[in-house]
Amino acid sequence: NAGVMQNPRHLVRRRGQEARLRCSPMKGHSHVYWYRQLPEEGLKFMVYLQKENIIDESGMPKERFSAEFPKEGPSILRIQQVVRGDSAAYFCASSPLREETQYFGPGTRLLVL
Amino acid sequence: GIQVEQSPPDLILQEGANSTLRCNFSDSVNNLQWFHQNPWGQLINLFYIPSGTKQNGRLSATTVATERYSLLYISSSQTTDSGVYFCAVGRSNTGNQFYFGTGTSLTVIP
Repeated sequence: NAGVMQNPRHLVRRRGQEARLRCSPMKGHSHVYWYRQLPEEGLKFMVYLQKENIIDESGMPKERFSAEFPKEGPSILRIQQVVRGDSAAYFCASSPLREETQYFGPGTRLLVL
Repeated sequence: GIQVEQSPPDLILQEGANSTLRCNFSDSVNNLQWFHQNPWGQLINLFYIPSGTKQNGRLSATTVATERYSLLYISSSQTTDSGVYFCAVGRSNTGNQFYFGTGTSLTVIP
């Protein structure tokens, strides 16, 4: 059973460009979570999704950030008009049920020049 | 949200030594996990332990949910144990998002 997959593993963008981060949950998992880790800090929750639904986006910045988890395909975290402060590691996690353990992907390291 | 404090923030050990890492949290939770973030940045699940005690090889963990803390024990430490150890807690009635502590950075020297 493959683990949580994220791609790309590294992404470099110039200020003002768009960043698209993809997450494929583990097989059989229908809950996806996105977290952001700034340098030298712990992870901070961004958004929790189920298939075709955003359940909780309380940790998501109000502007430029959006997330989706379509019926088919991976979950996408989209950052429009990136700024240097968006440079961070973005982790995706999945779980089969709300109370179950979360399994984390390897992360996408975003660098904004 | 739930506040999570981990101690100590930094720890340097001689290979073979034992250590105890602590995680305190500010509210009742029904989900708690310990992770090891290795030097390559990958998060590795160590324990899912909302309550009770578990052991896996040289590692063990205990959570006392009523007193809002968890402990991670590392025995006979090895250089490969180096990295950052995170405690994360969650509560299903708040969407089960995890609240992470700021971690304990462990360096094991030969």
